[in-house]
Amino acid sequence: DTAVSQTPKYLVTQMGNDKSIKCEQNLGHDTMYWYKQDSKKFLKIMFSYNNKELIINETVPNRFSPKSPDKAHLNLHINSLELGDSAVYFCASSQTGTGKETQYFGPGTRLLVL
Amino acid sequence: AQRVTQPEKLLSVFKGAPVELKCNYSYSGSPELFWYVQYSRQRLQLLLRHISRESIKGFTADLNKGETSFHLKKPFAQEEDSAMYYCAPRGSQGNLIFGKGTKLSVKP
Repeated sequence: DTAVSQTPKYLVTQMGNDKSIKCEQNLGHDTMYWYKQDSKKFLKIMFSYNNKELIINETVPNRFSPKSPDKAHLNLHINSLELGDSAVYFCASSQTGTGKETQYFGPGTRLLVL
Repeated sequence: AQRVTQPEKLLSVFKGAPVELKCNYSYSGSPELFWYVQYSRQRLQLLLRHISRESIKGFTADLNKGETSFHLKKPFAQEEDSAMYYCAPRGSQGNLIFGKGTKLSVKP
């Protein structure tokens, strides 16, 4: 009964390839996020969606494109992968307007670009 | 701009010793602050939020608006407390703004 799940857990690929990471939450939350954790363990927001609408789009290369087919899913597609994209990508979700708004994180997708 | 500083990259203590992980923030308006913990190769989990003023796993954190600090404390560290700890205020658009994290290592 995982609340926030991501697939795949590990992704090893060559430079120049295109890959997708999927995220699903079964908490009924209306907001989902993508965070990137670099090799120094620094976490930074990339995108957030609220009810399938893009809310935050931080300064990330436009090779990264989030897609939210419905409230429960937020996928991340990456074109023309580069070495610097190697990181752990975390998906998270929260419910806005409750006064609590705790973010629940997925297990992370460890991406290695060779 | 909202910013958060965790000055210690690594904090090493012996089991049973008190521990304090520092967090300072700059924020306009009323901040909402969290501590998240990440055990080795696991997902981030909420540890504390300042609004609830609760104690989780023996950890407490008090928001000091005068010093703009939200330090995390535990009187007696345990080996299982070894993890990465992140202080994070909530940004104006709902996202978390993470500090660089402090790695806590509790030695036996």
